[in-house]
This record gives sequence, C-alpha cells and structure tokens, in this order.
Amino acid sequence: GAVVSQHPSRVICKSGTSVKIECRSLDFQATTMFWYRQFPKKSLMLMATSNEGSKATYEQGVEKDKFLINHASLTLSTLTVTSAHPEDSSFYICSARDVRAGDLTGELFFGEGSRLTVL
Amino acid sequence: RKEVEQDPGPFNVPEGATVAFNCTYSNSASQSFFWYRQDCRKEPKLLMSVYSSGNEDGRFTAQLNRASQYISLLIRDSKLSDSATYLCVVNSPRMDSSYKLIFGSGTRLLVRP
Repeated sequence: GAVVSQHPSRVICKSGTSVKIECRSLDFQATTMFWYRQFPKKSLMLMATSNEGSKATYEQGVEKDKFLINHASLTLSTLTVTSAHPEDSSFYICSARDVRAGDLTGELFFGEGSRLTVL
Repeated sequence: RKEVEQDPGPFNVPEGATVAFNCTYSNSASQSFFWYRQDCRKEPKLLMSVYSSGNEDGRFTAQLNRASQYISLLIRDSKLSDSATYLCVVNSPRMDSSYKLIFGSGTRLLVRP
C-alpha cells in the first residue's frame, strides 16, 4: 500500500528552540497533506491543511506563526514548531491522500508520527 | 456536543468473543465514514470504509444508519492481535464546501487469552 514517511520519529529539545518535522509521500503525489496533533488517550486534532505551492490552511485556534507549514513539492510537507515550549510536547502526525483519489472516499495514509518532548 | 462521539472503553473480552463498537456523529451532512485502527504509540491505519448498505471484511462488519447518525463496527471471533484503539472517522462539510475528516477519540479493545 501507499507509504507516508515522517521524520524524526522522536525528538527532544530545549525550550525556546525550533523543531522541524518532515512528511513525505513515498510512492504517490499529494497536493494536500494534513497535520494532526494527538494528546494521550485523545483524538487526533487537525491543526492545518498543507497545500502544495500555496499557503497552509490553519484550524481555528492554531497559531500560524507558531506552527510553520511548508509544502514545497508534491511529495514533501514540513511542520516547524517555532520557539517550542513544554506545552507543545505532543504526538504530531501527518497524513496524505493520493492526488488521484477523491476527497470524500480516498484513503488517508498516515506517517508514523513524531513524538516531541520539550524540556 | 462533540462532532464524533465514541465510548472510550476499554472493552476487555476473551479470545473468540464478538464485540461491537458504536459511534455517533452530529453533522447530518457528513458524506463518508471510516473505521481506523490505531495501535499504541503508532499511526492510525484504515480498517474499512463504511457504506449505507453495510459492508463486511472477514471478521469485521461495519454498518451506517444515516437517520440515527450512527455507525457501528462488529468484530467476530476476536483475536489477541485485534487489541488496539478503534477510531471512528467522519468526513464532514465545512462552511467553504470543502470536507474535513473528524476523528472520534477512539474505543480501546483488549482481547485476553
């Protein structure tokens, strides 16, 4: 099946530093990728929709300047957590849908997730 | 009210048991529905899509009741490997006519020997 690769899988950083997470679709192209955040025993919360070649669409309550998203190609989206603080510690997951699949029924493929711990 | 609601469980069942999960959604204009499976500290993976006519995939049966805005997942002959969290996912319309996948918080299943 289709594969989405996310890197790094685990990162520990000091408060105030920035962390970049990469999401790649390995065997399909994705004009749109999605970034989620998940707290323990909670549901995935959509943070933003990453659009290739244009600005990301952020969900209500998500700070654009805090969570920078870049979707430079049809196979790569990046999320940068700027000036990270302990409350940003979480599990971040990206997902992508094949550009040939429909928005309503196309399967969403998830990256392995990145566990961020901010000290 | 949450857009997608699930009983968090955990459901603790013996091997071989039949177990059913329910999910309700609030937006009647929702168009497509899915069950995803998420293992501990891993990413979600699609288990099956849910169709109005109901659909079956081996030991798994999914049902959709649009009138009641209710989705179910039935697992027969439970295996130890079925232990996971099952996420109910609903594709709901936004104000701008695009769609957004809304995830339930998941139902945890533990299958014991």
